[in-house]
Amino acid sequence: EIVLTQSPGTLSLSPGERATLSCRASQSVSSNYLAWYQQKPGQAPRLLIFAASRRATGIPDRFSGSGSGTDFSLTISRLEPEDFAVYYCQLYGSSPPLYTFGQGTKLEIK
Amino acid sequence: QVQLQESGPGLVKPSGTLSLTCAVSGGSTSYPNWWSWIRQPPGKGLEWIGEIHHSGTTHYNPSLESRLTISLDKSNNQFSLELTSVTAADTAVYFCARMGIVSIERWGQGTLVTVSS
Repeated sequence: EIVLTQSPGTLSLSPGERATLSCRASQSVSSNYLAWYQQKPGQAPRLLIFAASRRATGIPDRFSGSGSGTDFSLTISRLEPEDFAVYYCQLYGSSPPLYTFGQGTKLEIK
Repeated sequence: QVQLQESGPGLVKPSGTLSLTCAVSGGSTSYPNWWSWIRQPPGKGLEWIGEIHHSGTTHYNPSLESRLTISLDKSNNQFSLELTSVTAADTAVYFCARMGIVSIERWGQGTLVTVSS
């Protein structure tokens, strides 16, 4: 089973700054199978990015995803107050079909 | 656009069966789609439980497979989860969802299920 490790565990930044969140897979994976989610307290997660770099419907263009192989990242170009939340990466594995998540990165206001 | 709403008991006794239903509106469970259950223990991360296709094909998380059944009720536009022999470790917020391109496209709001006597 492939393990996803997110870093840092907590990221403290100010509005207007740039945030870069990392997701590392324990072995090389297809970028087509990597997604990112945002979760605010008391809410369900929201899909931000799928296929490593494709923004989901309605997601602002300050959110971008990149990466390949084992190393992927989510970048928020200029933080807005509503962006402070927990972010999860997720991988789809086809044999057997299985979705796995990283442990999450908490993005907090500095 | 599609909306999903979980329902079911909020409290289940240890060794009992956890049963939840997800009502789908604004979309049809008869159309080609995968529908999933995901859970999140309080203060912890996300765990994918399993999924069902409109054809009835299911895929389960191997860690839960022996206790798990996901079924589809097209006539009522809903799908369901049954998890048997529950313990305190099964206490979590349970989300139902519609799957997208190897991602979880649309989520229900979630429902907390506590396993306790």
